[in-house]
Amino acid sequence: DIEMTQSPSTLSASVGDSVTITCRASQNINKWLAWYQQKPGRAPKLLIYMASSLESGVPSRFSGSGSGTEFTLTIRSLQPDDFATYYCQQYNFYSSFGQGTKLEIK
Amino acid sequence: EVQLVESGGDLVQPGGSLRLSCAASGFSISNNWIHWVRQAPGKGLVWLSRVNADETMTNYADSVKGRFSISRDTAKNTVDLQMNNLRDEDTAVYYCVRGRTGSSGLIDSWGQGTLVTVSS
Repeated sequence: DIEMTQSPSTLSASVGDSVTITCRASQNINKWLAWYQQKPGRAPKLLIYMASSLESGVPSRFSGSGSGTEFTLTIRSLQPDDFATYYCQQYNFYSSFGQGTKLEIK
Repeated sequence: EVQLVESGGDLVQPGGSLRLSCAASGFSISNNWIHWVRQAPGKGLVWLSRVNADETMTNYADSVKGRFSISRDTAKNTVDLQMNNLRDEDTAVYYCVRGRTGSSGLIDSWGQGTLVTVSS
């Protein structure tokens, strides 16, 4: 199985800040990586796929980068709606998720 | 509009069985991989299983291999997850999710989830 490790587990930030979340894969997954946003009581929402492609309808302040084993999700100019939990997912071999990063208001 | 509606969640005793069902609408499951993902209370997402468009291929996470079985009924546009020998740690919300057309693993649509509670 491919293990996905996210850091940090919790991130405190203010509206207007820029933040970066890191996701590491236990083996090479090329660019087969997606990022999801989940709010309490809701199903996750796809933000980024193929490591850096923005899903339709997702604001451009979200961006992804990386390949191989190390990936990042960056959110520029945080908006109140962005405070949520973020998950990375590899889909190179079957699928697996990171443990999540909770982005909370400072 | 793409919709996935799960049903079948319930309270079940350890060692028991449960069958979840996912009714898809707005698209034909014969064009997409369908997966099951779960989330224990307050915890993260865990991928469980997937079935391909023509049901010739199924895959499972090690944690459920041999206990869970995924199947699909193209005529009814439904996907089921048969869960046997349930354990306390199987308690979770179970999501039926759709793989993006042309992708075996990228998930682009989620159901609202159904709660399975395993407890004596």
